[in-house]
Amino acid sequence: KAGVTQTPRYLIKTRGQQVTLSCSPISGHRSVSWYQQTPGQGLQFLFEYFSETQRNKGNFPGRFSGRQFSNSRSEMNVSTLELGDSALYLCASSLEGPSNTEAFFGQGTRLTVV
Amino acid sequence: GNSVTQMEGPVTLSEEAFLTINCTYTATGYPSLFWYVQYPGEGLQLLLKATKADDKGSNKGFEATYRKETTSFHLEKGSVQVSDSAVYFCALRSMEYGNKLVFGAGTILRVKS
Repeated sequence: KAGVTQTPRYLIKTRGQQVTLSCSPISGHRSVSWYQQTPGQGLQFLFEYFSETQRNKGNFPGRFSGRQFSNSRSEMNVSTLELGDSALYLCASSLEGPSNTEAFFGQGTRLTVV
Repeated sequence: GNSVTQMEGPVTLSEEAFLTINCTYTATGYPSLFWYVQYPGEGLQLLLKATKADDKGSNKGFEATYRKETTSFHLEKGSVQVSDSAVYFCALRSMEYGNKLVFGAGTILRVKS
């Protein structure tokens, strides 16, 4: 069974640009969550999508957005990039279910804003 | 709100030493508890989980017991190997808190041969 796939693995963007990251969940998983990992703030929740609907949202500005497609694949978009957006962005997929369901993570997309 | 506190690292041990990484949590409701491990340049891998009080999660020689009375989920391993060198994250998840994972700051483990 294929794991969670995130593309691209690495990105370098310039301040002010926008970027789109992609995540393909494990087959059969309908929940996709996104996390930002930085040395200063650690792992922070961005948002969760389930059945093409945003079900939960973290404390990030509106420049961060996402969507989910009917095949459960998800994208996140960051507009007007700032230097502080440099981070590892991790996607996790889960089966729908109670909180004891584990989340499986992709390898992440390393975004560098210069 | 929900939160997780882990012991600060780095933790440096010699091979075959005993490992403990402390984790305590604050949560509403009845959270599930997890330990994830991150190797350099990689994403997070689930190491073990426990879903209710007194449950013990175990995997690859690592163990952790869900202690509701002390709100703790300490990670232990009897004999570490160099290959265990990584960053370890304690996390919780509860339906009362939107089912999102809340992570501790992570603990770097370095094992010397």
